[in-house]
Order: sequence, then C-alpha cells, then structure tokens
Amino acid sequence: AQSVTQPDIHITVSEGASLELRCNYSYGATPYLFWYVQSPGQGLQLLLKYFSGDTLVQGIKGFEAEFKRSQSSFNLRKPSVHWSDAAEYFCAVGAGAAGNKLTFGGGTRVLVKP
Amino acid sequence: EPEVTQTPSHQVTQMGQEVILRCVPISNHLYFYWYRQILGQKVEFLVSFYNNEISEKSEIFDDQFSVERPDGSNFTLKIRSTKLEDSAMYFCASSPQAAQFFGPGTRLTVL
Repeated sequence: AQSVTQPDIHITVSEGASLELRCNYSYGATPYLFWYVQSPGQGLQLLLKYFSGDTLVQGIKGFEAEFKRSQSSFNLRKPSVHWSDAAEYFCAVGAGAAGNKLTFGGGTRVLVKP
Repeated sequence: EPEVTQTPSHQVTQMGQEVILRCVPISNHLYFYWYRQILGQKVEFLVSFYNNEISEKSEIFDDQFSVERPDGSNFTLKIRSTKLEDSAMYFCASSPQAAQFFGPGTRLTVL
C-alpha cells in the first residue's frame, strides 16, 4: 500500500530565509510524486510534479523538489521565502496512470515571520 | 487560467438527510475525482470517474455515496443519508492525465 509521511507538522521561517519541507513515501513501483499548497480558504494548488527523468524538478512560485529514490524522499525547497508562502503544503504519491488515486501526507503548515 | 469550481462552499445538513455536492471540472479534462478531508486528518481519496464509470473507489465510498456526471459540465457527489462522521471538506479534482487539479472544496457540516 502506498503512504506518505511529512514529519514536520509546523515550520516557522523568517521572510527571506530558505525553506525545506520533508516528504517520505512508501510505494512499490516507480512513484509519481506531487507537491500541493493550500492557502486559507483555497483549494489545493499544484506546485510541481515528478514523473521521471531529471530528479530535480522546478515548480511554480520559485519552488523546487528533489527526488531521491535511495531515501524514498521528495523534499520541497525554496531559497528565499516570501510572506505569501505562508500556507499548508501537502506531498502526495500516485501510481501515475490517469484515474489513479493520490495518497496524501498529513501536511506541513508554514508560518512566515517578518 | 481554467479552474475547477465547486458549489456550495458550505453546506449544513441534518443527520439522515441527502446532500449533493456539485463540481464543474476543467472543460477538456476526462478524469474526475472526489476526496475528503476530515478536520485535522489527511486528505483521503474517495472515488475516480472516467467515461461515465467509476474507475477506482476507496473503502470509504460505500453504498451511501454515489457519483454522477449528469450533463457535459457537472460532476456530482451524492450522500444519501448523512452521518455525523461525514462532516468534512470535500474536494473535487479533474485531470487530463496523471496530474490532478483541485477545486476550493465544499465544507459539509452534519448536525
């Protein structure tokens, strides 16, 4: 069965500082991996996805994530955080075929200090 | 940019009543999904739908749930007899392929 763990429930970061959110997955085959962001009152917005190829993927809003098969990880990073990045971030894994379910982690809430 | 929309944004109902949650997927997407998030818990998959059929469903999606694409634009989730534990945020999503795009959600409160 597939599963996703996000070890950090909350992270507080100063504006302008770097951010890294951890994600570990369990999946029997080659995973399709996603990061979503949810701002208050909003839906889940797709930040980036990894299907195959280059293990460092770029997304929207200046985010990137690195797939490390040996560590079963797909960590999200941003070099310099803006106040508007305060939100909840969800990592998800899927089988890859259209119509297949996504399994989500518990989310990490990011607070940005001025 | 096209978006998935959901109505209503908030629904309050009495236990035992039927509710229908509505979604308008992105127009050229062929795959549709429902997920839910109970307060404080993970986002959970309920069902996926393609070509007017359920393609995958979770153990949560029992006989009290049903989905329908009644016309060319809407995708609905019906809960026949709501229970207190159905209180949650329900998200609709659609996809052209593997990447799913989510709507803003409907918060369902069962009293």
